[in-house]
Amino acid sequence: ETGVTQSPTHLIKTRGQQVTLRCSSQSGHNTVSWYQQALGQGPQFIFQYYREEENGRGNFPPRFSGLQFPNYSSELNVNALELDDSALYLCASSLVENYGYTFGSGTRLTVV
Amino acid sequence: QQQVKQSPQSLIVQKGGISIINCAYENTAFDYFPWYQQFPGKGPALLIAIRPDVSEKKEGRFTISFNKSAKQFSLHIMDSQPGDSATYFCAALWDGAGSYQLTFGKGTKLSVIP
Repeated sequence: ETGVTQSPTHLIKTRGQQVTLRCSSQSGHNTVSWYQQALGQGPQFIFQYYREEENGRGNFPPRFSGLQFPNYSSELNVNALELDDSALYLCASSLVENYGYTFGSGTRLTVV
Repeated sequence: QQQVKQSPQSLIVQKGGISIINCAYENTAFDYFPWYQQFPGKGPALLIAIRPDVSEKKEGRFTISFNKSAKQFSLHIMDSQPGDSATYFCAALWDGAGSYQLTFGKGTKLSVIP
């Protein structure tokens, strides 16, 4: 059974640019959630995808968007990057039938 | 309110001692309360979880105590070991609007000294 894998592990972008982060769900999981973890803080919910549709969103602006693919993998896209977007972005997969989240190791995004 | 308040921010415990981390919440719609352990450079890993109809759950050296009326829950780590040194997050899950959203506390950095 594979876990959740995220790519890339580290990324440096310039303010105003766009970025795409990728996530492969744990085998058998049909739901993907994305979280943002600022340094020294707990993760914050960005959004969740189920059956390729966004079915819940936290307090993040529309420039944060996502996709879920038929194989349950997912992408997080962030447009018009701001310095405050610098954080660890975590992907978590789960089964919609239960609450057992499995987190990936994250992508460390630095915006300069 | 969606907040989960966690204390202390940091904790130093001697090897073999008991580590205690506390959390409080306001939203009574939360219905699942997990604890996560996070090592540097890694994502959070589920440690133990409890539902609000249970007052205590124990798994090995880890115990969750849950007080529904006070809206508080805590993690006890018995016989703490240096390998337990990590950041611990309490969380609460809200099953609202068709999605499962975890709200995390700000974390407790635990250091277990030999």
